[in-house]
Amino acid sequence: GAVVSQHPSWVICKSGTSVKIECRSLDFQATTMFWYRQFPKQSLMLMATSNEGSKATYEQGVEKDKFLINHASLTLSTLTVTSAHPEDSSFYICSAHPGFTNYEQYFGPGTRLTVT
Amino acid sequence: KNQVEQSPQSLIILEGKNCTLQCNYTVSPFSNLRWYKQDTGRGPVSLTIMTFSENTKSNGRYTATLDADTKQSSLHITASQLSDSASYICVVTLERPQAGTALIFGKGTTLSVSS
Repeated sequence: GAVVSQHPSWVICKSGTSVKIECRSLDFQATTMFWYRQFPKQSLMLMATSNEGSKATYEQGVEKDKFLINHASLTLSTLTVTSAHPEDSSFYICSAHPGFTNYEQYFGPGTRLTVT
Repeated sequence: KNQVEQSPQSLIILEGKNCTLQCNYTVSPFSNLRWYKQDTGRGPVSLTIMTFSENTKSNGRYTATLDADTKQSSLHITASQLSDSASYICVVTLERPQAGTALIFGKGTTLSVSS
């Protein structure tokens, strides 16, 4: 149980275009989903926290107009990278929290974004 | 500053041997500490979670310890297997009264198990 999927697993896009990444909790309802970014040989860095039905909370330094997050249902959150640039190339990982108190966050497999 | 430091940065061991990975943190207020295994190009998978009141927790061949007084944790891997080759990440949960919880990730220790 507690499986989180991401789609796509990898994507290549041209500079200036937008890319949408989906994060789904497959067998549980996630009241909270988190979006992380990981550059090579670096730690995962939290970008934003999203709660179903409300606006996402962005970490300091993360542009909310560039990284649009929508948490439309208890099983789906999307991250849209708008007007992508090569420096946005990274590994994007989502995680989902079931909402009951086991402290656990279940991570998706990640999405590799390459902007050319 | 809330930080999680791991050592060593990388480690190479022979199959069947044991190893211990270290984690020091300065995160406060702290709610729990987790160890994750991350294969290259994949998302992290949870190994153990310990609250500040727990000293040790095991998950198969993985045993984590926590000393909340010295703010240190270790992950001991017993009888290593080739499939243990991965990055092991120490993660500390930061409680932020105004902004919710946040996971503070270490950079990980890259473990290579060779035959």
